[in-house]
Amino acid sequence: DAKTTQPNSMESNEEEPVHLPCNHSTISGTDYIHWYRQLPSQGPEYVIHGLTSNVNNRMASLAIAEDRKSSTLILHRATLRDAAVYYCILRGVNNAGNMLTFGGGTRLMVKP
Amino acid sequence: DTGVSQDPRHKITKRGQNVTFRCDPISEHNRLYWYRQTLGQGPEFLTYFQNEAQLEKSRLLSDRFSAERPKGSFSTLEIQRTEQGDSAMYLCANSRQGAGTEAFFGQGTRLTVV
Repeated sequence: DAKTTQPNSMESNEEEPVHLPCNHSTISGTDYIHWYRQLPSQGPEYVIHGLTSNVNNRMASLAIAEDRKSSTLILHRATLRDAAVYYCILRGVNNAGNMLTFGGGTRLMVKP
Repeated sequence: DTGVSQDPRHKITKRGQNVTFRCDPISEHNRLYWYRQTLGQGPEFLTYFQNEAQLEKSRLLSDRFSAERPKGSFSTLEIQRTEQGDSAMYLCANSRQGAGTEAFFGQGTRLTVV
């Protein structure tokens, strides 16, 4: 399975933008880049995904490098509710059942 | 609310007892996954179903674990002769087929074996 590398933790101030990086240098051409987040005592929650082009939705933006070896999840204005563990995952056709393989993720702390 | 519900939310059991968890997925999503998550770690894949067929099992799924998805609807995960090492959060996820689709997770069942 293609692996991702994320910082263990990041800190942000409330109301400021947050850029969460992810490296995936062994990504294959058919791997989608997915982001999920997990709040304390909750199941993971889908945030966004993309293949080659940058993506925007109501929760966040996903910026994908031209060579696809890295990506950045952008939260435009962090709120206290955004404090969570953020997982960057490659979901590919070569994974059994397109399963999601979670790493350690980035723990985002948001300061008021 | 993701539309995926799990029952119970919490379960405390004595070592050696059997437990069963249930997952009710979104009806039109044919893929169903079970994950296990221990404290401080990311979820680990256990098994998945496509409709009613169980197509992949992780080596984490020992002989004491069994999962079913009758008629491709709800799914159950049973653990026989529970051990303290089975204490974890058990998560169910559901998606349509394809790597470019989003997966929806339930809130999980937290199992504590005493």
